[in-house]
Amino acid sequence: EPEVTQTPSHQVTQMGQEVILHCVPISNHLYFYWYRQILGQKVEFLVSFYNNEISEKSEIFDDQFSVERPDGSNFTLKIRSTKLEDSAMYFCASSRQGAEEKLFFGSGTQLSVL
Amino acid sequence: KQEVTQIPAALSVPEGENLVLNCSFTDSAIYNLQWFRQDPGKGLTSLLLIQSSQREQTSGRLNASLDKSSGRSTLYIAASQPGDSATYLCAVKGATNKLIFGTGTLLAVQP
Repeated sequence: EPEVTQTPSHQVTQMGQEVILHCVPISNHLYFYWYRQILGQKVEFLVSFYNNEISEKSEIFDDQFSVERPDGSNFTLKIRSTKLEDSAMYFCASSRQGAEEKLFFGSGTQLSVL
Repeated sequence: KQEVTQIPAALSVPEGENLVLNCSFTDSAIYNLQWFRQDPGKGLTSLLLIQSSQREQTSGRLNASLDKSSGRSTLYIAASQPGDSATYLCAVKGATNKLIFGTGTLLAVQP
């Protein structure tokens, strides 16, 4: 069964460093998302992406965050200058269409900022 | 602002028991509601999706219902098994494409 693939599974970085989280969405999907879950808290929406542009972003997704679809298969989340509070599990998701479709999630990247 | 709440926060049942997990949301103007399963340190597995026009969806031993007007959904698990132990999350989608998640119910099924 097709799945969303995320790499790496764990990332440790120093505060102030840049990190890039990688995702390969399901191949025929058109909508891409990033969510995050801080330990013990709810899963939170960060950003949605469609047709090579951001379609919606949350207030968490400030200027330190960016997303890119550099080729036909990858979808990346970049954090320019990491803070301690960026430590979380980051989930990539994709859906074939928009509102009426299921979202399929990857297994996540656990980001630890020291 | 949409708020999603799940009760109970944790539930422990003996194997074989039927159980119900609850989800409530404050804004009834939703597009759909999705139930997920999350295993420790793992991703989210989609279980069931109910569109706003539907009342319920079934998959195997799982049945999810939706009462949009009262802002409630339930996930019914029949004949629970130890392998069902996980955190169950509900999430609603409104006019935009983002999901708003609940706090989750941690389920433990004792053998």
